[in-house]
Amino acid sequence: DAGVIQSPRHEVTEMGQEVTLRCKPISGHDYLFWYRQTMMRGLELLIYFNNNVPIDDSGMPEDRFSAKMPNASFSTLKIQPSEPRDSAVYFCASRKGVEEKLFFGSGTQLSVL
Amino acid sequence: QKEVEQDPGPLSVPEGAIVSLNCTYSNSAFQYFMWYRQYSRKGPELLMYTYSSGNKEDGRFTAQVDKSSKYISLFIRDSQPSDSATYLCASVSGNTPLVFGKGTRLSVIA
Repeated sequence: DAGVIQSPRHEVTEMGQEVTLRCKPISGHDYLFWYRQTMMRGLELLIYFNNNVPIDDSGMPEDRFSAKMPNASFSTLKIQPSEPRDSAVYFCASRKGVEEKLFFGSGTQLSVL
Repeated sequence: QKEVEQDPGPLSVPEGAIVSLNCTYSNSAFQYFMWYRQYSRKGPELLMYTYSSGNKEDGRFTAQVDKSSKYISLFIRDSQPSDSATYLCASVSGNTPLVFGKGTRLSVIA
């Protein structure tokens, strides 16, 4: 299995632009999580899905952030408009059922100038 | 107070040293405890996994959980430069998302 696949690996954009991050979970995994990691705050959960349905989006910082999971093999995290304080590494992770073992992608390094 | 607290370090030790990494947690409902290792510019990878209190050993690594004091530990024996990474503890209860500590950055110097 190829693991959790994220794209792009790096994204540099200007303030106000729309940013879309993409994730392909491990095949057969029915939970998908989006995390953001910064030095100051560590790894923060933004939103998670079960069977493509958003379960908890309380970690989404504000309305500028949105996430979708149109099918079991694809999810997007969109920031519109982006701001410099959104600069961070964004990770997607997936797991199977109630297993607690979470598998992470390699992350997207986002820089908003 | 975060549910899982972890000293961010950084921690620097000589090769061959015994390393002790620690976390505390506040949620008594936590039942599963994990340690993830994260190399630079990579995603976290599961290193150790324990259920409830007790010890678990895997090669040079030992994970220890003391639920009475809400304390989680990871010990690394005979540390190697390849162990240099950020170590994150995590806890969870039932079918909920993992709660992570901030991570401790470890450097093992040859």
